[in-house]
Amino acid sequence: GQNIDQPTEMTATEGAIVQINCTYQTSGFNGLFWYQQHAGEAPTFLSYNVLDGLEEKGRFSSFLSRSKGYSYLLLKELQMKDSASYLCAVMDSNYQLIWGAGTKLIIKP
Amino acid sequence: GAVVSQHPSRVICKSGTSVKIECRSLDFQATTMFWYRQFPKQSLMLMATSNEGSKATYEQGVEKDKFLINHASLTLSTLTVTSAHPEDSSFYICSAGTGMSTEAFFGQGTRLTVV
Repeated sequence: GQNIDQPTEMTATEGAIVQINCTYQTSGFNGLFWYQQHAGEAPTFLSYNVLDGLEEKGRFSSFLSRSKGYSYLLLKELQMKDSASYLCAVMDSNYQLIWGAGTKLIIKP
Repeated sequence: GAVVSQHPSRVICKSGTSVKIECRSLDFQATTMFWYRQFPKQSLMLMATSNEGSKATYEQGVEKDKFLINHASLTLSTLTVTSAHPEDSSFYICSAGTGMSTEAFFGQGTRLTVV
């Protein structure tokens, strides 16, 4: 079966760095996405990785290792507004998105 | 970036009535629309995938007669929750793609409450 695993909840301090991990087992691979979702809102796109390596976009970076079925989202200089759920999703061979359950990130002052 | 507009954002309806949710792609042609449901503190659950001009493909466990999906044009898809019950109360989200798009463009979501 297809499976996406990510931690349920993480806590970090304002100004610090946090890494959210995601491991996956899917039927084929056409890219991995990270989305941010604030409570009661639709997800917003953060990043897309299809090749191994690190993609940096401002305070957010995303890493992918296809051989290990592993990705992480790195958030630097955390701000209170970064408190949200972070969803990892993999596009399988049928171009369907397989979603993880999301990681709730709590930022403390 | 691409814009997907979903309406209404919130709706409260009485048990037994039907509710229609619209999802429009404003600046691109959406050959594929995805409808998701999300219960509190849970991830998105794909309900169905619809391609323009053809019948929707429903995920296992989703009642096609209860959740009617219409994708009559390249810019509009609708989800109708028929004979709604309190257990249908949820957050419904659409997303649109161009077939082989690498990014899903989401609507704003609809909070449905059935009383």
